[in-house]
Amino acid sequence: RKEVEQDPGPFNVPEGATVAFNCTYSNSASQSFFWYRQDCRKEPKLLMSVYSSGNEDGRFTAQLNRASQYISLLIRDSKLSDSATYLCAVKGPLYGGSQGNLIFGKGTKLSVKP
Amino acid sequence: ETGVTQTPRHLVMGMTNKKSLKCEQHLGHNAMYWYKQSAKKPLELMFVYNFKEQTENNSVPSRFSPECPNSSHLFLHLHTLQPEDSALYLCASSLGVRTGALNTEAFFGQGTRLTVV
Repeated sequence: RKEVEQDPGPFNVPEGATVAFNCTYSNSASQSFFWYRQDCRKEPKLLMSVYSSGNEDGRFTAQLNRASQYISLLIRDSKLSDSATYLCAVKGPLYGGSQGNLIFGKGTKLSVKP
Repeated sequence: ETGVTQTPRHLVMGMTNKKSLKCEQHLGHNAMYWYKQSAKKPLELMFVYNFKEQTENNSVPSRFSPECPNSSHLFLHLHTLQPEDSALYLCASSLGVRTGALNTEAFFGQGTRLTVV
């Protein structure tokens, strides 16, 4: 099982739709979780951190499910400008091979159509 | 404005050339990273420096040689590369990975798009 897995998509949705992405991680001792957004030919930019209690930032909601080892990102009322690739990142435990490094998933491509 | 600056933004080099990529961060971070992103592939972690000490070398070929003279600067020296090394090379920084801090999100530079001919 890969350390961090995401459905590559693409997710093609109309404007105004609600779309959700999941990301699974293999190491149950992982400490921190993040969602990044990457536009075509640009660098990834932090979208939001994912807290145990879940967190919301405008139209974006992130959830963590430690029991099932996945994080999710929900985008409501999607805009054309939301079209991008969404990467999840997981910080592993300080011990073992991961040494607390951030491991990224392959990303999920979202395309919002008019 | 970005807290992590990479130069050059674009680089075309021959297989016999030697070049260096530079990264500088102004965020007061202690950890710096090199990632490689090839077309249609995920981000691949190459090297990690934590408080100027290399803590990760993710089985990277020796034709890539990192250097971290201080916590703010990171270099990637390139020599005798292959065409398959063409990719976007991204530098990132964060708080030290060995700290107990949870807010260790990484901030990326704009990348160097490398083409090996």
